[in-house]
Amino acid sequence: QVQLVESGGGVVQPGRSLRLSCEAAGFTFSDYAMHWVRQAPGKGLEWVAVVSKDENNKYYAASVKGRFTISRDYSKNTVFLQMNSLRVEDTAVYYCARVNTGWSGDFWGQGTLVIVSS
Amino acid sequence: QSALTQPPSASGSPGQSVTISCTGTSRDVGGYNYVSWYQQHPGKAPRLIIYEVSKRPSGVPDRFSGSKSGNTASLTVSGLQAEDEADYYCGSFVGGNILVFGGGTNLTVL
Repeated sequence: QVQLVESGGGVVQPGRSLRLSCEAAGFTFSDYAMHWVRQAPGKGLEWVAVVSKDENNKYYAASVKGRFTISRDYSKNTVFLQMNSLRVEDTAVYYCARVNTGWSGDFWGQGTLVIVSS
Repeated sequence: QSALTQPPSASGSPGQSVTISCTGTSRDVGGYNYVSWYQQHPGKAPRLIIYEVSKRPSGVPDRFSGSKSGNTASLTVSGLQAEDEADYYCGSFVGGNILVFGGGTNLTVL
């Protein structure tokens, strides 16, 4: 069965960096694009970034463009989110999701919590 | 890109039907048949229940249905059950390769 497991969250000071990982299993990783989506405490979903199945295309939300980088490692079946220059407003649970048709996310991980605080 | 507009709350009694709206613009909901809906129970990850406006993934009960008219998409939950009580989010592809979500609707089963 499809499984997505995020890791790498934690508490970090504003301006610092953090790298999140999402390990995929149960499907052919190279056949699917992957999303990162976040959810601030008590708030709604916010799309963060997407990487195409061949890694040739990467797109970002305006709120993270220039600070976050999405990438993937096919040997590890893992998608990453490198987060630099973190801000308090980046505090959220970060989910990875497999991309289905029409950019929908058909399978989601359990999420990893990032807290940006001094 | 602004979030899609959803009512903050909705409610219905067991067995009834409830419809949740999701309003966007011609650049997102109205421009593509790429609207999806997600169910999220407290403390859990979102679950896809509708994609491409009206298609249901395997395992999603047919009590859940989706539609679209112009710039507004809708999710209808028929035959409400206690376990349908959750937050519901719509999402849409946006021209320019962006994904946008609605603010979410909290559905209460009375």
